[in-house]
Amino acid sequence: AQTVTQSQPEMSVQEAETVTLSCTYDTSENNYYLFWYKQPPSRQMILVIRQEAYKQQNATENRFSVNFQKAAKSFSLKISDSQLGDTAMYFCAFHSGTYKYIFGTGTRLKVLA
Amino acid sequence: EAGVVQSPRYKIIEKKQPVAFWCNPISGHNTLYWYRQNLGQGPELLIRYENEEAVDDSQLPKDRFSAERLKGVDSTLKIQPAELGDSAVYLCASRPPGPHTEAFFGQGTRLTVV
Repeated sequence: AQTVTQSQPEMSVQEAETVTLSCTYDTSENNYYLFWYKQPPSRQMILVIRQEAYKQQNATENRFSVNFQKAAKSFSLKISDSQLGDTAMYFCAFHSGTYKYIFGTGTRLKVLA
Repeated sequence: EAGVVQSPRYKIIEKKQPVAFWCNPISGHNTLYWYRQNLGQGPELLIRYENEEAVDDSQLPKDRFSAERLKGVDSTLKIQPAELGDSAVYLCASRPPGPHTEAFFGQGTRLTVV
């Protein structure tokens, strides 16, 4: 069975600084997708970035980028130039042929002014 | 384009009472999920629909939970009777056709059982 682990329950970062959120996963599958979702206090999960396992190039979306290490089964999220609006819960998610999303326990990120 | 719509946003009920949640997915999305999110945890799958068929309900507590997706569009999730441990946020998500497309989530229903 697949598992997703986020080992940082809470993190904080100064506005305009860079922060990295960690995620590791376990799977025996070779073809899968990884996602980072953001959940603000409104509770709606919003996609931040996605990575296809067969692509070696790390995904980037504006200030958000990932460090995908397939052999190590690691998928970290880097937020550059942190903004107050980045304050939220961040969930790492795994998706494979079973078509269900498996989420980690989340990291609460607080951006400090 | 309208997103995934869920109602109600909040619900407070006494234990042993029934409760129902409603979800309207994004048009054209054939896959629909119900997730439960306990406080401080990540969402956990309750049931997944492909069109009107429930294809994964292995984690749905069938003694008290039921779900339906009539005509492969809207879905309802019901709990009867509710227990204190059912207090959580219930999230609905939908996904368009394709093997690894992203899921789009609604704002969830926060259920409090007292």
